Amino acid sequence: NAGVTQTPKFQVLKTGQSMTLQCAQDMNHNSMYWYRQDPGMGLRLIYYSASEGTTDKGEVPNGYNVSRLNKREFSLRLESAAPSQTSVYFCASNQRSYEQYFGPGTRLTVT
Amino acid sequence: GDSVTQMEGPVTLSEEAFLTINCTYTATGYPSLFWYVQYPGEGLQLLLKATKADDKGSNKGFEATYRKETTSFHLEKGSVQVSDSAVYFCALRDSGAGSYQLTFGKGTKLSVIP
Repeated sequence: NAGVTQTPKFQVLKTGQSMTLQCAQDMNHNSMYWYRQDPGMGLRLIYYSASEGTTDKGEVPNGYNVSRLNKREFSLRLESAAPSQTSVYFCASNQRSYEQYFGPGTRLTVT
Repeated sequence: GDSVTQMEGPVTLSEEAFLTINCTYTATGYPSLFWYVQYPGEGLQLLLKATKADDKGSNKGFEATYRKETTSFHLEKGSVQVSDSAVYFCALRDSGAGSYQLTFGKGTKLSVIP
């Protein structure tokens, strides 16, 4: 059981480049989430997917898009990266129980 | 809207010292409360939780009691170890959030020195 996996672990982009962060979970969870973590800001929700086929905006969605590809996979896309998107990105999932399970994170730097 | 306020860090303690990290919350409904821990270079892990008033969550020697009257969920441990060095996040899930979203505090970094 791998839990929640994220790829890549590290990425450096130039301003204006695009990329997709991948997330997969093998726990058969319905709900999946993307957060960003910035120093002194805690975790802020970017987008979430309550169930397969649905996605909704969180607190800080601007500059991002998401795709719930199937029940296992939830990707986050940056169409035109900006330095303000330099952050650590975490994917999480849960079922009807309260605990969210987190992936190990992707550290993204935009220069 | 919902919010979580936790004490600013960093906190530095000697091994075997007593730990308290304060957490207060604002919520519109009847929230469940959580403490998550993040060890260096890792994702967040659930440390403990409480789902209703007066519940006490506990795990690995850490405890927190859900106090509705003071809207608080302070984290305590009687004797910290070097291995407890991590960032601790208080979080809530409001009863009205259909997708089980969490609202996090900003985190408190704990360093325990031998």
